[in-house]
Amino acid sequence: NAGVMQNPRHLVRRRGQEARLRCSPMKGHSHVYWYRQLPEEGLKFMVYLQKENIIDESGMPKERFSAEFPKEGPSILRIQQVVRGDSAAYFCASSPGTGAGNSPLHFGNGTRLTVT
Amino acid sequence: DAKTTQPPSMDCAEGRAANLPCNHSTISGNEYVYWYRQIHSQGPQYIIHGLKNNETNEMASLIITEDRKSSTLILPHATLRDTAVYYCIVRVANRDDKIIFGKGTRLHILP
Repeated sequence: NAGVMQNPRHLVRRRGQEARLRCSPMKGHSHVYWYRQLPEEGLKFMVYLQKENIIDESGMPKERFSAEFPKEGPSILRIQQVVRGDSAAYFCASSPGTGAGNSPLHFGNGTRLTVT
Repeated sequence: DAKTTQPPSMDCAEGRAANLPCNHSTISGNEYVYWYRQIHSQGPQYIIHGLKNNETNEMASLIITEDRKSSTLILPHATLRDTAVYYCIVRVANRDDKIIFGKGTRLHILP
């Protein structure tokens, strides 16, 4: 079984450009979670989505960041007008969403964004 | 979600059992205990989870005290590849909520 696929693995953007990070969940998984890890820091939750719905965006910066998980295709985390402080590793996780809370989240290996 | 407390770092000799403790004294009856680890530059890796009974899989064993206020993750024969940050997390059982990572325990396996 393919795991959670994230691409690109590395992304370099200049200040002011847009960054698009893609996440394909594991087969059969309908729930997607995005996390950010700044250099030498912990993992911070950003947003939780189900197909076509944002369930929890409490960790998402209010400006420049958006996420979607369309009916078809991967989940996209979009960062507009990137700044140097956006440089980080962005991890996506997925789960099948049984409603029981006992389905582990499975993580991809992340996209490392560098803003120059 | 209830908070967890873990030692910031631990050492373990290669080949020995690594026992990683976690306190979760405010855990609720409907919260699972989850363990993840993050090896340098990789995504977090799920290890094991449990509610009240001890659990074992091919990676590790999870021992939960009877009062559920603490647990121990056991890696039975640690190897150098087990060097990582280990996270103990509690998560509500009746919904597919996000998981919140703390600072974890940095485990060093010594050759």
